[in-house]
Amino acid sequence: DAGVIQSPRHEVTEMGQEVTLRCKPISGHDYLFWYRQTMMRGLELLIYFNNNVPIDDSGMPEDRFSAKMPNASFSTLKIQPSEPRDSAVYFCASSFRGPPQPQHFGDGTRLSIL
Amino acid sequence: QKEVEQNSGPLSVPEGAIASLNCTYSDRGSQSFFWYRQYSGKSPELIMFIYSNGDKEDGRFTAQLNKASQYVSLLIRDSQPSDSATYLCAGRPSGGYNKLIFGAGTRLAVHP
Repeated sequence: DAGVIQSPRHEVTEMGQEVTLRCKPISGHDYLFWYRQTMMRGLELLIYFNNNVPIDDSGMPEDRFSAKMPNASFSTLKIQPSEPRDSAVYFCASSFRGPPQPQHFGDGTRLSIL
Repeated sequence: QKEVEQNSGPLSVPEGAIASLNCTYSDRGSQSFFWYRQYSGKSPELIMFIYSNGDKEDGRFTAQLNKASQYVSLLIRDSQPSDSATYLCAGRPSGGYNKLIFGAGTRLAVHP
């Protein structure tokens, strides 16, 4: 079975540019999570969706960040405008509803903002 | 603030020894706990989960949960150099949420 698929794997862009990260969850999973990981702050939950509806976006750092899930097989995380402090690895994860609901992670997108 | 705490390490153990990784949590209502392994430059990989008090074994791994003490641990028997990684502990908070609260991770180094 295919796991969580993220694209791109690496992104290098200049400050002020718009960045779009993409995620395809595991088929049949109805929860999708976006995380950010840095050395300083560890793994932080940014937002999660249930059945394509955002449930908790309290981890989104500021209005420059937005996330959408237009259907069950696709989600995007957008940063506009990007800043150097947004440099991190961004992970997408998905899980099934049934307990105990372990999350399965994609390979991540390594984002560098110059 | 619901938190999961881990010693950042590094925890250094010789090959063949038992590695013991520990985690405490603040949310007394947390029911499920997960251990993930993360190799450098890779994504977190689920090792095992536990939601009942006591021990749960899977191969060389044993997870232990003590809800009274709000303590979770992961034992790795017969540690191998390939076990060298960062181990993340995560708990599902009370309140009906499906999100996980992750600890900062413990770096394990198994030396030959």
